[in-house]
Amino acid sequence: DAGVTQSPTHLIKTRGQQVTLRCSPKSGHDTVSWYQQALGQGPQFIFQYYEEEERQRGNFPDRFSGHQFPNYSSELNVNALLLGDSALYLCASTLGSYNEQFFGPGTRLTVL
Amino acid sequence: AQTVTQSQPEMSVQEAETVTLSCTYDTSESDYYLFWYKQPPSRQMILVIRQEAYKQQNATENRFSVNFQKAAKSFSLKISDSQLGDAAMYFCAYRGFGNEKLTFGTGTRLTIIP
Repeated sequence: DAGVTQSPTHLIKTRGQQVTLRCSPKSGHDTVSWYQQALGQGPQFIFQYYEEEERQRGNFPDRFSGHQFPNYSSELNVNALLLGDSALYLCASTLGSYNEQFFGPGTRLTVL
Repeated sequence: AQTVTQSQPEMSVQEAETVTLSCTYDTSESDYYLFWYKQPPSRQMILVIRQEAYKQQNATENRFSVNFQKAAKSFSLKISDSQLGDAAMYFCAYRGFGNEKLTFGTGTRLTIIP
């Protein structure tokens, strides 16, 4: 039973560029959440996708957008990258609402 | 807005001993869930234990137990018989009832001394 997978593992971009991160949920899960974890901090909720729609959003600018596909996998897009966007981006999946969230290993994004 | 505070950036414990990690939170909600997550160097968040606020009984999972004090808004994690594999960052997290978002503290780095 595959857990949550994320790609790529590491990514280096320059300021102003755009980036796409990918997440495949745990088998049987239909809901995907994204979190940003800056160095030395706890994860911060970005948004959650369910049935291909954004269901809830945290306090992040519109530069952060996402998508969920019919197979429940998800993408996180960040436009006009800033140095402050450097962080570990975590994806978590769950089945339905209010159940345990299973996390992936994350994507380490470095913005130079 | 809910906040979660972990006042111990680092803790250390001798192998086989017991350690307690502290967490306090602030909320105006009466129904919610509290969690402790472990993040080893592999970076993957692993759920250690969860507590429903409506349950008075403290949750336990093998060597892990919590001391949930709802009135004091305190939620500490006790690790008994510490093992080398327990070394990791530990995060306390809050989720409101009917809410999908997890709110995390800043974490406590736990070191196990052989």
